Amino acid sequence: DTEVTQTPKHLVMGMTNKKSLKCEQHMGHRAMYWYKQKAKKPPELMFVYSYEKLSINESVPSRFSPECPNSSLLNLHLHALQPEDSALYLCASSPGEVWNEQFFGPGTRLTVL
Amino acid sequence: LAKTTQPISMDSYEGQEVNITCSHNNIATNDYITWYQQFPSQGPRFIIQGYKTKVTNEVASLFIPADRKSSTLSLPRVSLSDTAVYYCLVGDYYGGSQGNLIFGKGTKLSVKP
Repeated sequence: DTEVTQTPKHLVMGMTNKKSLKCEQHMGHRAMYWYKQKAKKPPELMFVYSYEKLSINESVPSRFSPECPNSSLLNLHLHALQPEDSALYLCASSPGEVWNEQFFGPGTRLTVL
Repeated sequence: LAKTTQPISMDSYEGQEVNITCSHNNIATNDYITWYQQFPSQGPRFIIQGYKTKVTNEVASLFIPADRKSSTLSLPRVSLSDTAVYYCLVGDYYGGSQGNLIFGKGTKLSVKP
C-alpha cells in the first residue's frame, strides 16, 4: 500500500460543531504532517509528528488539535472553527526524518458555515 | 531558510519541452532542491530531488548549476495532463531547516493542444 488516505473527502460544519479529520498510511512512515491550503495558494504547514510525537506546531490556533494515536494514523480535531478556516486540509507522510519526499493524501475539503 | 522564486505561470503546447526555473540565491550547503506537482483539488506529488549537476528520472530532469543558486525542472514532451502547479522547495535533507516544508508560490503550467 503506497498511498495516504484521508476521510472524509468533504466536510461542512457550523462554528459550534466538533469534528475530526482522519489520515492513514501503511507505508511504515514515521513522520506525518498536516497542511492547510486555501484556494490558489500553496500548502501551509500546520503540524509535524515524528515518531508519534509532535515536533512542529506552526503557531496554529488551539481550535485545531492534532493527535497521533499510532504510527499509521493522524487525526485533526476541529472545534469552534471560523469561516476563514474553510480550506483543503492535506495530510502527508514521509519515511523517518527524511522530509524531502512527502507522500500526500487527496485532502479533505472543509467548509465552515 | 532559502527563499525560492519561480515564474507565476507558463504556457506551452503539447509535445514541447518545458523548463521551469527556480531561483534560490541563499541556498545553504546542506540544502537539497525538491520539486512537487499539484493538480487541482489533489495533494502535491513528489517529482524529483537533487543536490547538484543533473538528476533524471522517468518523468523529469533537474539541472543545477555549479553555484546552486538556481535550478531548472525540465519536462520532456509535455501533454495536456501535465497542466498543473509546480512547486520548488529548498531545504536540508533531514529537514533540520524546515525548508522542505515551506512551499513557495509555485508555477502554474498550462499545456495547450
